[in-house]
Amino acid sequence: ILNVEQSPQSLHVQEGDSTNFTCSFPSSNFYALHWYRWETAKSPEALFVMTLNGDEKKKGRISATLNTKEGYSYLYIKGSQPEDSATYLCAFMGYNNNDMRFGAGTRLTVKP
Amino acid sequence: DVKVTQSSRYLVKRTGEKVFLECVQDMDHENMFWYRQDPGLGLRLIYFSYDVKMKEKGDIPEGYSVSREKKERFSLILESASTNQTSMYLCASSRRGANVLTFGAGSRLTVL
Repeated sequence: ILNVEQSPQSLHVQEGDSTNFTCSFPSSNFYALHWYRWETAKSPEALFVMTLNGDEKKKGRISATLNTKEGYSYLYIKGSQPEDSATYLCAFMGYNNNDMRFGAGTRLTVKP
Repeated sequence: DVKVTQSSRYLVKRTGEKVFLECVQDMDHENMFWYRQDPGLGLRLIYFSYDVKMKEKGDIPEGYSVSREKKERFSLILESASTNQTSMYLCASSRRGANVLTFGAGSRLTVL
């Protein structure tokens, strides 16, 4: 079983705070790393697909970095808003595989 | 709008019953996946398929089987449901490669 780990498990921040969380994955056999956002009562939605070491992606106030050599990715949220409250999932795809393995997620709660 | 449709949003079944969870996608995707989601455990891969009639075991295939007779349809079968299979089941699909997953709305199964 491939280990994809996310930390912290949950996070509570105040509106306006910036925050970040981590996804670690096997550094060998890397093909792609995905980030998804999962709001309560909705389906997970893709945020980023990252494939190259050193990749940095940005969408509005959310950004992500990737280090494939050491096997980690960071997701950053600048100036958190209550609507950012969700579970953030990362998923790892290995080379020569077609499957996606998810971490357990980081549950973010942003208090107004 | 592209879609992954899961046949039932909520199901209640009895121990020992055979259960079918159906998933249909209209995007001509090669890959299809079945995950289950349990609190604190994230999304765990049950089975996936990268082509018609092809299937691969994920991390927790025990007690489940799948069928992919047509490209657009991927069925999850519980031959004899047990209470520990009470969970949220999510179907997803993607194009071959590192492409994002598109998820269905989920099927919440309760086994009494």
